Amino acid sequence: DSGVTQTPKHLITATGQRVTLRCSPRSGDLSVYWYQQSLDQGLQFLIQYYNGEERAKGNILERFSAQQFPDLHSELNLSSLELGDSALYFCASSLNRATGELFFGEGSRLTVL
Amino acid sequence: DQQVKQNSPSLSVQEGRISILNCDYTNSMFDYFLWYKKYPAEGPTFLISISSIKDKNEDGRFTVFLNKSAKHLSLHIVPSQPGDSAVYFCAARSSGTGTASKLTFGTGTRLQVTL
Repeated sequence: DSGVTQTPKHLITATGQRVTLRCSPRSGDLSVYWYQQSLDQGLQFLIQYYNGEERAKGNILERFSAQQFPDLHSELNLSSLELGDSALYFCASSLNRATGELFFGEGSRLTVL
Repeated sequence: DQQVKQNSPSLSVQEGRISILNCDYTNSMFDYFLWYKKYPAEGPTFLISISSIKDKNEDGRFTVFLNKSAKHLSLHIVPSQPGDSAVYFCAARSSGTGTASKLTFGTGTRLQVTL
């Protein structure tokens, strides 16, 4: 158990819809990262938040947005969903950037039909 | 642009033998390299890391080697055990500023350790 909690574990929705994925980081961790893993692909970095503020951005689509709340949990919002958005979405957390080690949640599997 | 590449999608090794997983990178600004292991239906878990100022780091059965001139790193598992069967991801950290940090991952190598 990494200590990172993601909900929901599975989500099935239709094209054009909007979903919200939730992540609770490990106790004490200030940084939250979101990654997307599509079929047979590596983990693609989406975005990083540190103590409520956006710190680094990857190839995140404009239809996607995220935020980190004062209690440090984070939400990833995906809108106008397309079939290609079907993927595993991982949240990870870390205390700081000292060694780069991230602690990952079990992921949220999104299926867009 | 794939900055971290794992060219072998899969590898099969007999129990007790050495497993060697390879990774190449293109970005000279990477300052830390990590290996993660992933079992089905679980998130990736950290395995071992190496700073760009070192060329070897060892932790039990796991050793990571870094060749900066070749922009290549490898993970050696000796001896391989059936429980090592998983997908292994190579990752590299960009040396950003302040609290900004991100890991760039390869596409993974599926290791199967056979009896």
